[in-house]
Amino acid sequence: RKEVEQDPGPFNVPEGATVAFNCTYSNSASQSFFWYRQDCRKEPKLLMSVYSSGNEDGRFTAQLNRASQYISLLIRDSKLSDSATYLCVVNRYNTDKLIFGTGTRLQVFP
Amino acid sequence: EAGVAQSPRYKIIEKRQSVAFWCNPISGHATLYWYQQILGQGPKLLIQFQNNGVVDDSQLPKDRFSAERLKGVDSTLKIQPAKLEDSAVYLCASSFDRVNTEAFFGQGTRLTVV
Repeated sequence: RKEVEQDPGPFNVPEGATVAFNCTYSNSASQSFFWYRQDCRKEPKLLMSVYSSGNEDGRFTAQLNRASQYISLLIRDSKLSDSATYLCVVNRYNTDKLIFGTGTRLQVFP
Repeated sequence: EAGVAQSPRYKIIEKRQSVAFWCNPISGHATLYWYQQILGQGPKLLIQFQNNGVVDDSQLPKDRFSAERLKGVDSTLKIQPAKLEDSAVYLCASSFDRVNTEAFFGQGTRLTVV
């Protein structure tokens, strides 16, 4: 089983839609969680960190469920510019490795 | 602030040849990562440095891959000899420290082995 698992998609949604991605992680020692965004043929860039209390940044909301070992990302009012691959990232404190999921591809259409 | 610099951007080599990639992290960043990203997959960690020491290289194919970080700044990743399955983008990233801080990525080196 992969340490970080994501549905690869693609998720095809119209502009203005709300879309949610989930990510599960297998190691309960994981301490830090992030969502990165990767545009086609570009490098990954941090979208947001995920805190235990959940956090929101504009149209983006990230949540963490430690009991079930999953992380979610909600995008409201999707824009064409949101089309990208969203990578779930987990950091295990005892090894400090940043482990990436396969990524979920989002395509927003007009 | 200058970002993570990598070179070359693209490289095409024949199988069994050798190749080297260079990375210059953001100034002051102690942690440096090398990732391999095969098309359609997420980045896979190859090696992680803290200053000039190796923190993790458990997924580095040591029979053909090697990496070093001299003086805790620049780093090079070498493949010798290359195989067809090494075709991928090699991403270098750096972060201020190991925990809870953002990793910044370079633009990557796209390697094609023919």
